[in-house]
Amino acid sequence: EVQLVESGGGLVQPGGSLRLSCAASEFTFGRYWMNWVRQAPGKGLEWVANINQDGSEKYYVDSVKGRFTISRDNAKNSLYLQMNSLRGEDTAVYYCATQWAAAEHYWGQGTLVTVSS
Amino acid sequence: DVVMTQSPLSLSVTLGQPASISCRSSQSLVFSDGNTYLNWVQQRPGQSPRRLIYKVSNRDSGVPDRFSGSGSGTDFTLKISRVEAEDVGVYYCMQNTHWPPLTFGQGTRLEIK
Repeated sequence: EVQLVESGGGLVQPGGSLRLSCAASEFTFGRYWMNWVRQAPGKGLEWVANINQDGSEKYYVDSVKGRFTISRDNAKNSLYLQMNSLRGEDTAVYYCATQWAAAEHYWGQGTLVTVSS
Repeated sequence: DVVMTQSPLSLSVTLGQPASISCRSSQSLVFSDGNTYLNWVQQRPGQSPRRLIYKVSNRDSGVPDRFSGSGSGTDFTLKISRVEAEDVGVYYCMQNTHWPPLTFGQGTRLEIK
């Protein structure tokens, strides 16, 4: 069974940093684009960033450009999101999700990031 | 950016009755390869999202056949032929034709009447 397990969330002060991780198992991780999607409390889904199979292409929503960095380690079947200069509006559950264009698509259970003083 | 607009934003349906959700995009979602990358995502209360439909009308593995997707260009529909209790939740359309950014609709909340 494919599993995506996010970790690294928590409470951080405005201006602080966090690094999220997503560990994949039972899944040929290195063959697929990977995504981060977030959901603010009581709100809808927002795509944050994605990365191609070898990490050479990365794309971001405008609101996080210059502050967040997506990366991956295919040897460890892991996806990462380095989040710097965090703001209150970054408070959300962050999900990793697999490639949208593929016939199979999976989401993790999410990790909560709370930005507050 | 492509704006995805869903209607209605909430829906109350009697068990066993049909339901329909509309999604309109601000530009055509036909990609240069001829495919239309329009997805439907379900989020049950307290759960992670789950994709139901990809490329307009393809059901994901394990998705009941009471769910169907249709549409073309800028207008798309998710239909549930007979609503069951487990269908309660929020449904999002989402496009991955014109990106970045990938964009979601606002969500449609389905409840049982």
